[in-house]
Amino acid sequence: EVQLVQSGAEVKKPGESLKISCKGSGYSFISHWIGWVRQKPGKGLEWIGIIHPGDSDTRYSPSFQGQVTISADKSISTAYLQWSSLKASDTAMYYCVYTSGDYWGQGALVTVSS
Amino acid sequence: DIQMTQSPSSLSASVGDRVTITCRASQGISNYLAWFQQKPGKAPKSLIYAASNLQSGVPSKFSGSGSGTDFTLTISSLQPEDFATYYCQQYNSYPWTFGQGTKVEIK
Repeated sequence: EVQLVQSGAEVKKPGESLKISCKGSGYSFISHWIGWVRQKPGKGLEWIGIIHPGDSDTRYSPSFQGQVTISADKSISTAYLQWSSLKASDTAMYYCVYTSGDYWGQGALVTVSS
Repeated sequence: DIQMTQSPSSLSASVGDRVTITCRASQGISNYLAWFQQKPGKAPKSLIYAASNLQSGVPSKFSGSGSGTDFTLTISSLQPEDFATYYCQQYNSYPWTFGQGTKVEIK
């Protein structure tokens, strides 16, 4: 059974850095794309980007290019989403997603507040 | 980017009603279209992939159709557990994009 387990909720201050994780199991991690989706409070779903852990090929939405970094460590079947300098507007729930959405992580709430 | 437009944005329906949600792409996406259901406080759940294929374990009351630019999600007989927000997503070309969502509420 495919499972995606995300790291826990985070509370950060503006300007801080953050890296959240998503561990995949139940399938060949290096063979399938894994993506990230943002959902701001009370709003819809926004596609951030996607990575192929096998060769680290990564694609970003232009809206998020340069704002976040997607990476993966295939040795531990884990994908990451990171920020170098958080803004209050990054406050949202972040989901990792198996390929085109067949399976979703439970979500990680990121709160950025001074 | 390909824009995905859902209609309506919200609807009120009764238990037992047949409900249809439409998703239109700003350019052709073949059948690279998925539908998701999201309940409050929960992660989205995949219902349909490749426009008309039901995910394993999803009840047959859900069905999808369409190709090119126009797609529909139909719930044949609405049940209390179906009240939720539904999203379409195209995965034909990067960046993948979602519709704005359709909230299905109880009349």
